[in-house]
Amino acid sequence: GNSVTQMEGPVTLSEEAFLTINCTYTATGYPSLFWYVQYPGEGLQLLLKATKADDKGSNKGFEATYRKETTSFHLEKGSVQVSDSAVYFCALPYNTDKLIFGTGTRLQVFP
Amino acid sequence: DVKVTQSSRYLVKRTGEKVFLECVQDMDHENMFWYRQDPGLGLRLIYFSYDVKMKEKGDIPEGYSVSREKKERFSLILESASTNQTSMYLCASSLTTALYQPQHFGDGTRLSIL
Repeated sequence: GNSVTQMEGPVTLSEEAFLTINCTYTATGYPSLFWYVQYPGEGLQLLLKATKADDKGSNKGFEATYRKETTSFHLEKGSVQVSDSAVYFCALPYNTDKLIFGTGTRLQVFP
Repeated sequence: DVKVTQSSRYLVKRTGEKVFLECVQDMDHENMFWYRQDPGLGLRLIYFSYDVKMKEKGDIPEGYSVSREKKERFSLILESASTNQTSMYLCASSLTTALYQPQHFGDGTRLSIL
């Protein structure tokens, strides 16, 4: 069945550093892939998505490319800010209507 | 913008109590979901509903039930609360299938069972 694995955190960075959070998946076919973000005290928000192979999703300076060769959907940002401190979840669909989430990666950005 | 509203941000209940968590969405979405979120385990699906009065078990339904009498409202019920049900509970909704439509989440209810 479908599964998703993402790197454990916390990831600790200084402001303006480059960010990569790894996500790999196992899936039947080529489902859409999602990154969600959870800011402190809030629920999850969709950050970006990609619906087919080689698609690049982007939002708020974050990017992720759907790579079927390596079954990966790594999240990147060129210059992080303190306000990006949050927990990031990689997700993909399974059984049509449901999503399976990674365990989450906490990002802490210091000034 | 989609709004998913959970009735309580924080809730404290006692072991053995029957607990109701309420969720309302304002975008006429067919699908609604209840998850629990625990450190190191990510999000786990408890139940979901794809239409009024329709429900399906998720990955961890034991000790929980749900009710969907109206399209916009999805309730999670802890029949007899136990301490291992202390957790963050998240409600979500989506339009039709998840293949292309994202899920929209409420802010969560942090439930403590004493």
